[in-house]
Amino acid sequence: DAKTTQPNSMESNEEEPVHLPCNHSTISGTDYIHWYRQLPSQGPEYVIHGLTSNVNNRMASLAIAEDRKSSTLILHRATLRDAAVYYCILRPANTGNQFYFGTGTSLTVIP
Amino acid sequence: KAGVTQTPRYLIKTRGQQVTLSCSPISGHRSVSWYQQTPGQGLQFLFEYFSETQRNKGNFPGRFSGRQFSNSRSEMNVSTLELGDSALYLCASSLDLGLSSGNTIYFGEGSWLTVV
Repeated sequence: DAKTTQPNSMESNEEEPVHLPCNHSTISGTDYIHWYRQLPSQGPEYVIHGLTSNVNNRMASLAIAEDRKSSTLILHRATLRDAAVYYCILRPANTGNQFYFGTGTSLTVIP
Repeated sequence: KAGVTQTPRYLIKTRGQQVTLSCSPISGHRSVSWYQQTPGQGLQFLFEYFSETQRNKGNFPGRFSGRQFSNSRSEMNVSTLELGDSALYLCASSLDLGLSSGNTIYFGEGSWLTVV
């Protein structure tokens, strides 16, 4: 399974931007980078994904390094509802829908 | 449109019993996958079904099984329950088999199983 490395925990003040890093030095050319988050007592929720270029959606932005060995999930203005465990996942091609979740980053948002 | 629905949400079983969990995918989604989440092991892939066929299987004993019906609804079964099977069981659905690594999956809220 493709490996990612994330900090165990991070803190952010409410209404400030949050940058959640992920290292994936063994990424291959066809691996997509996916981010999911899991709020307390809920199933994981899709956040964003990308391959090479930076991506934006209504929830977040994904910045991918030029060599693709790292990426950063950016929450532009953290709210208390963003407190969750954030998972960075590499998706190899042709593996079906088998996602490998690591331990993720537990984000605490301080009011 | 409705999300992934899992039933029951909470249940308690005794060691040695068996349990069946149900999952209704998002309308139009044909792939259903199952995951187990425990504090010690995190989120682990159990298996995936597409068009009523198991397409992929994780590293779990044969006590864990599943099936998918023609309407894409899925069930998973755990026989001879052990204390270590206590976990949150999550179902996820997707439009297709995920041959494209850009494919995304959508999770239900899960079924909390406690084995006593």
